[in-house]
Amino acid sequence: EAQVTQNPRYLITVTGKKLTVTCSQNMNHEYMSWYRQDPGLGLRQIYYSMNVEVTDKGDVPEGYKVSRKEKRNFPLILESPSPNQTSLYFCASSSDFPSYEQYFGPGTRLTVT
Amino acid sequence: QKEVEQDPGPLSVPEGAIVSLNCTYSNSAFQYFMWYRQYSRKGPELLMYTYSSGNKEDGRFTAQVDKSSKYISLFIRDSQPSDSATYLCAMSFSGNTPLVFGKGTRLSVIA
Repeated sequence: EAQVTQNPRYLITVTGKKLTVTCSQNMNHEYMSWYRQDPGLGLRQIYYSMNVEVTDKGDVPEGYKVSRKEKRNFPLILESPSPNQTSLYFCASSSDFPSYEQYFGPGTRLTVT
Repeated sequence: QKEVEQDPGPLSVPEGAIVSLNCTYSNSAFQYFMWYRQYSRKGPELLMYTYSSGNKEDGRFTAQVDKSSKYISLFIRDSQPSDSATYLCAMSFSGNTPLVFGKGTRLSVIA
């Protein structure tokens, strides 16, 4: 089954404790992306990657890091999480054309206390 | 002015009604226009897309783009309770550029 998986699905952590949210896709997609979704603010892009070793900032990259060492994986790293990073996070992937057809993962709900 | 504007609702309609969801945008360079549907506790899924202006129909759903007015619409005919979800419009400049999303409209279809 074609899918995007994220882990963990739920995470409660404390300020400053480094964490990684994993994302993996099995569709051989070149384009992957991370979003956060907040009430009243909608979906905002954090980082995206056009291909292996190619990443770029989205609209809200501060406080986040990503890496793309393999085509299928695109982890999101929070080196020092803060409460304002409490949010619902989505990973998405798409083939290079048409990239508007993005496949989203199930989401990771992160709470930073 | 925000790049993509979408009324957040909530919008509540009776089963069988025709639903109209809309977005306006400010940047005339947008060329690809999409509608995503997001059920509660799930990731968004692509519902429809159109390139440039015009209409596109898929079953009970019709997407409409009016580039001259910078206005896009999604019509749902014979709405069903299973259509209850948040609908997000999205657009991009080209096939390989990041999407810009509206904030979403929450729709409830009451049986």
